Amino acid sequence: GQQLNQSPQSMFIQEGEDVSMNCTSSSIFNTWLWYKQDPGEGPVLLIALYKAGELTSNGRLTAQFGITRKDSFLNISASIPSDVGIYFCAGQGHTGNQFYFGTGTSLTVIP
Amino acid sequence: DTEVTQTPKHLVMGMTNKKSLKCEQHMGHRAMYWYKQKAKKPPELMFVYSYEKLSINESVPSRFSPECPNSSLLNLHLHALQPEDSALYLCASSQDFMGADTQYFGPGTRLTVL
Repeated sequence: GQQLNQSPQSMFIQEGEDVSMNCTSSSIFNTWLWYKQDPGEGPVLLIALYKAGELTSNGRLTAQFGITRKDSFLNISASIPSDVGIYFCAGQGHTGNQFYFGTGTSLTVIP
Repeated sequence: DTEVTQTPKHLVMGMTNKKSLKCEQHMGHRAMYWYKQKAKKPPELMFVYSYEKLSINESVPSRFSPECPNSSLLNLHLHALQPEDSALYLCASSQDFMGADTQYFGPGTRLTVL
């Protein structure tokens, strides 16, 4: 199936720094989702975006649904050690079988 | 409540064993999914059930056999697995399959095949 390109692939940052990552696709999507996955656990939904241009926050996290509907961005402000994990974007089309994960961004926060 | 539960948390089995993974949700969701995930890779879709009927089988080998006994439960029966089948198996559910409904994931079962 289709895979979305996420960048960067990995990030090593100091605690307190801000983080930005993005996800791009060659196809347009109706919904963009951002998940965080800790080692050995399932992905946990962070933010869901349903409209082009939408900007949504969840605590220190802010995500945007790109105007072209082919991309999305996730920002984390003032990172803390528990932000460590792999972040996956996912794009969804009209039907449930049009659900595609990004390649993932591995985040390491150095105390 | 957006909880999907999975049991067992960990499973070790030999290549001749038969075992089952279980998934449960009580959110009234009518679509349930099985994914397989290798380390540091995104989850890969295996099966989708919609209204208790198998809607999608992503060409999964027959040694994996899904079952949906009712709208809240999803099983994955395992038989004669290979070591390369070792992975994290994730269950997910969503309100519906045909709509753009968010998928919620369980914690996964870490499977090791010896």
